[in-house]
Amino acid sequence: AQSVTQLGSHVSVSEGALVLLRCNYSSSVPPYLFWYVQYPNQGLQLLLKYTSAATLVKGINGFEAEFKKSETSFHLTKPSAHMSDAAEYFCAVSDTYNFNKFYFGSGTKLNVKP
Amino acid sequence: DGGITQSPKYLFRKEGQNVTLSCEQNLNHDAMYWYRQDPGQGLRLIYYSQIVNDFQKGDIAEGYSVSREKKESFPLTVTSAQKNPTAFYLCASISPGQGFTEAFFGQGTRLTVV
Repeated sequence: AQSVTQLGSHVSVSEGALVLLRCNYSSSVPPYLFWYVQYPNQGLQLLLKYTSAATLVKGINGFEAEFKKSETSFHLTKPSAHMSDAAEYFCAVSDTYNFNKFYFGSGTKLNVKP
Repeated sequence: DGGITQSPKYLFRKEGQNVTLSCEQNLNHDAMYWYRQDPGQGLRLIYYSQIVNDFQKGDIAEGYSVSREKKESFPLTVTSAQKNPTAFYLCASISPGQGFTEAFFGQGTRLTVV
């Protein structure tokens, strides 16, 4: 089975600073990869997804992620943090053989300081 | 608007009581999922269904039951056998067969045992 590791359960940055949230997956076969954002007491909203078309994926709200097969990583970045980016972020990967089954990381809470 | 509706938003359960969480979608999606979210543990898959009248256990199915009598509906019952049901429950759907797409999530139901 797939597994997803998100390094850092809490990340704190200043407004305007670079945001970097880390995600590593376990499979040697590149699956589909996703980043979701969750605001308190709400469902998850898709930020971006990798489906093998391009290694650098651009998403909503200025976020992007780069798929690196050699490092089995899919880190999420944003050049300049905004207060509204404060939320919890989840990396997810689809199962290697059943693309309809997803595995989620444990989440990273992003705090943005004024 | 198309989307996924979960109800109720908040639910309180007494010890030994069964409760049912509702999930309805009007996206015409084939596959539906139930996840459980606990702080610091990400999302864990309870059950999923890829077509009507068929469903599979996820990673933590014990103490839960589901049905899929209609394409639009995938209710989750938390039974008295679930010893620690207090959590945030998320329903999701995707539509396989039309090109791979992302999972769409409902707004969640927060279940508390009193």
